[in-house]
Amino acid sequence: DAKTTQPPSMDCAEGRAANLPCNHSTISGNEYVYWYRQIHSQGPQYIIHGLKNNETNEMASLIITEDRKSSTLILPHATLRDTAVYYCIVRPWNSGNTPLVFGKGTRLSVIA
Amino acid sequence: DVKVTQSSRYLVKRTGEKVFLECVQDMDHENMFWYRQDPGLGLRLIYFSYDVKMKEKGDIPEGYSVSREKKERFSLILESASTNQTSMYLCASSLLTEKLFFGSGTQLSVL
Repeated sequence: DAKTTQPPSMDCAEGRAANLPCNHSTISGNEYVYWYRQIHSQGPQYIIHGLKNNETNEMASLIITEDRKSSTLILPHATLRDTAVYYCIVRPWNSGNTPLVFGKGTRLSVIA
Repeated sequence: DVKVTQSSRYLVKRTGEKVFLECVQDMDHENMFWYRQDPGLGLRLIYFSYDVKMKEKGDIPEGYSVSREKKERFSLILESASTNQTSMYLCASSLLTEKLFFGSGTQLSVL
């Protein structure tokens, strides 16, 4: 799986958009970008994934650059409950019997 | 919604005890996983299973074993608990290996 690089921490004001970057310059053509988050004292939660087109769901939007070497997870109106560690993972879809590997992620603090 | 239930939220055990951590999922998922999480080290995979009675070692299997006698249940066993196994243990299940559903975790303290 391609390596990802995320900033260790970020702050965001409540009500503003939180833009979380992820670099994956070695991504290959069949690899998707997945995002999870982990709120304190809970298990990680799947957020969204995409291949090359921008994706949106009820939780967030995912913007992938045209060259696919980086992506941004956008929480359009961050709330205090969005304070969590956000993980960006790159791997092929349904990669057989190869479990997900979680890196260190970005710790997002939403401030009132 | 998928529900992954871990039997205990907090557990305190003595060194040398045999410890069972239970995990049950209600969505007929083929895949189940055990991770542990420690400050500064992130999530590390201990064991996983893609089918009943089947198991595969993850990155840190030493000191652990697992059991999957039924599809919905995946048990993590610490044969002889040690203080360095004090950790948060997270169970997950999935239909596809990319979209995992996690339980709330068990914080295990070994004294």
